[in-house]
Amino acid sequence: GEDVEQSLFLSVREGDSSVINCTYTDSSSTYLYWYKQEPGAGLQLLTYIFSNMDMKQDQRLTVLLNKKDKHLSLRIADTQTGDSAIYFCAENGPGNTGKLIFGQGTTLQVKP
Amino acid sequence: NAGVTQTPKFQVLKTGQSMTLQCAQDMNHEYMSWYRQDPGMGLRLIHYSVGAGITDQGEVPNGYNVSRSTTEDFPLRLLSAAPSQTSVYFCASGDTAVREQFFGPGTRLTVL
Repeated sequence: GEDVEQSLFLSVREGDSSVINCTYTDSSSTYLYWYKQEPGAGLQLLTYIFSNMDMKQDQRLTVLLNKKDKHLSLRIADTQTGDSAIYFCAENGPGNTGKLIFGQGTTLQVKP
Repeated sequence: NAGVTQTPKFQVLKTGQSMTLQCAQDMNHEYMSWYRQDPGMGLRLIHYSVGAGITDQGEVPNGYNVSRSTTEDFPLRLLSAAPSQTSVYFCASGDTAVREQFFGPGTRLTVL
C-alpha cells in the first residue's frame, strides 16, 4: 500500500539551510505536499509540487522531486527560529482523490 | 472569509458517551475530510466527502460516522467513545481539483 517516510528530527543553527527529506511509494500520485504545524496549531499548507515537475521555488522554500527514486525534499534557506515546527510530507495517492497520505512528520529545531 | 472552522477546540468524554465534532468551511469547496493525529503517526484519514450527499471511508473509519447534507458542513460523530479515540481531530477542505487542501485548527479530544 501507500507509505510516506520521513526522518523524525532535524536540528540546525539560525541562518543555515535546512533540508527535510521524504520518500513515498505511490508513483501515481499527482501532487506532493509540504505542510507546517506549529505547536498546538493546525496544518498550514506551505507548498505543493505537481508530479511532472522536478523543482519548485517559492521565496525561501525550494522543493525538489526525484520521481525515479520517489524522493521529495524541502529546503528552507536562511532558517529562522520562527521556522521551528513539525513539517509533514504528504502525497495525494492514486487517482487524485484528495485522500492525503502523510508521513510521520519531521520536527525542525532551530537554534539561535 | 473564515476558512475552515472546527468546534469545540477541546472536549473530554467518558467511555461510551457520544458526541459530534463540527466542521464548516466558507470557501464553497466540494471536497471535505476528517483526519486524526496521533503522536508519531502523522495524520490518518477517517472519512471524506466529494460533495453534498456523498461520503466514503478512509483508512480508520471504525467508530465514526459522517454525513454531508450541505456543501458547507461536514460533522463527525463518535457513536460510543473509547479511550483509543483520544486524539487530535482535523477537518480539511479542498476545491474540486483537490490541488490545495486547507485544514482547520483541530479539536483535541480526550476519552477517559
